[in-house]
Amino acid sequence: QSVLTQPPSVSAAPGQKVTISCSGSSSNVGSNSLSWYQQFPGTAPKLLICANNKRPSGIPDRFSGSKSGTSATLDITGLQTGDEADYYCGTWDSSLRVFLFGAGTKVTVL
Amino acid sequence: EVQMVESGGGSVQPGGSLRLSCAASGFTFNTHWMSWVRQAPGKGLEWVANINQDGSEKYSVDSVKGRFTISRDNAKNSLSLQMNTLRPEDTAVYYCVRSIGGGDPFWGRGTLVTVSS
Repeated sequence: QSVLTQPPSVSAAPGQKVTISCSGSSSNVGSNSLSWYQQFPGTAPKLLICANNKRPSGIPDRFSGSKSGTSATLDITGLQTGDEADYYCGTWDSSLRVFLFGAGTKVTVL
Repeated sequence: EVQMVESGGGSVQPGGSLRLSCAASGFTFNTHWMSWVRQAPGKGLEWVANINQDGSEKYSVDSVKGRFTISRDNAKNSLSLQMNTLRPEDTAVYYCVRSIGGGDPFWGRGTLVTVSS
C-alpha cells in the first residue's frame, strides 16, 4: 500500500474532465513540491506538472495541478483518446527520507 | 540536447550482482541530484536511491539498503548503481532520473534487469 493514495482508475467520455487525487501526509505532500507524471506502456514517464501546479514547456493547458494541505489533484479537461495512460504523483518525504510515488491511476476514455 | 543512457542491465541469477551505469550529456551534470527509479513488470514506479551533486548525501529505499550502492563520477558525467545480492523482486526496468521532484527532471529510457534462476 502506497503512502501516497491515488484512485486505481478514473474514466470519462471524450471532451469531458477527469480529476485524479493524490493524498498524503504532512511530511510529504504537505511540505514538499508535488509532481505528476504520465506514462504510456513501454515508455518512460513524462513530466506533466512540477512544483504542484507548474506545466513544463510543451504540456497543454488541459493538464492542471493544484495542492491544498496534504492532498493534491491533477485535472485533465477536454479529454482525448490519446490521454489514456497511467498517471503518477510523486514527492519527497522529509521524515522517511525517500521519494514517494502514488500507486498510479489508469485513465480510460470511454 | 539532454541525453541519459542507461546500460548494464541483463539477466542474473538470485544472489548475483550487476552494475548499472547512466551516461549523461547535454547539461551540467554536477549541479543536479540524480536518482534511480525502477518499475517491475506491470507494476508502478518505485524510487530506489538518490545522490546529491557532490556525492556526499545518499538516500535509498529500505528494500535495497545494504545491497545497492549509488555513486557518481562528475568528471565522467556518469551515475552508477551497484546491485548485489539480487532477488527476484528486484526484476524491473531501472531508470536514471535527473532532479526527480525538481523543476526540470529528465528520465532516461531505462534498462531491464531480470533476476531469475
